[in-house]
Amino acid sequence: GNSVTQMEGPVTLSEEAFLTINCTYTATGYPSLFWYVQYPGEGLQLLLKATKADDKGSNKGFEATYRKETTSFHLEKGSVQVSDSAVYFCALGGGATNKLIFGTGTLLAVQP
Amino acid sequence: EAGVAQSPRYKIIEKRQSVAFWCNPISGHATLYWYQQILGQGPKLLIQFQNNGVVDDSQLPKDRFSAERLKGVDSTLKIQPAKLEDSAVYLCASNPSVTNTEAFFGQGTRLTVV
Repeated sequence: GNSVTQMEGPVTLSEEAFLTINCTYTATGYPSLFWYVQYPGEGLQLLLKATKADDKGSNKGFEATYRKETTSFHLEKGSVQVSDSAVYFCALGGGATNKLIFGTGTLLAVQP
Repeated sequence: EAGVAQSPRYKIIEKRQSVAFWCNPISGHATLYWYQQILGQGPKLLIQFQNNGVVDDSQLPKDRFSAERLKGVDSTLKIQPAKLEDSAVYLCASNPSVTNTEAFFGQGTRLTVV
């Protein structure tokens, strides 16, 4: 069945460092791919998405490119801020019911 | 635009008791989801409604969990009787339609079973 694997955390970075959080997926067909973010005490928020191969999703300085050849959707940001500290979830959606399947989440802690 | 509303935010119950959670999706959203998020894990889909019909409940433990969506709007999720392993955050999400690729989440209900 469909699944998502993302790198384990926590990831601890200093402010202004470069961020990469790896995400790979297994799916039949052509799923849509998402990154959701969960700030402390808050619900899940959509960060960015890509709906077809080679699409690049971007938002708030974060980017991810849908790579069908490597079945990956890695999240990147060139310069992280303390306010980016949160849990990041990679997810895929698709199929007849378009349900979302999530990875286990990666905790990012950015230190000043 | 108002977001997905859930209540209560927190609930503590003893094992074998029952509990109910409520969700009010974004107005006009046809699709409603309930997810279970155990600490340290990603959310897992429990049940998906399209209007007031069930689309997917393959991972709902039907011996103790039940859910309904009244008139295709609000939804309730019930657990009876609760077990310790039900301790989790229960997330409700909605989506304009099953063909839309984005879901909007509520803040969740944190359940602790002692």
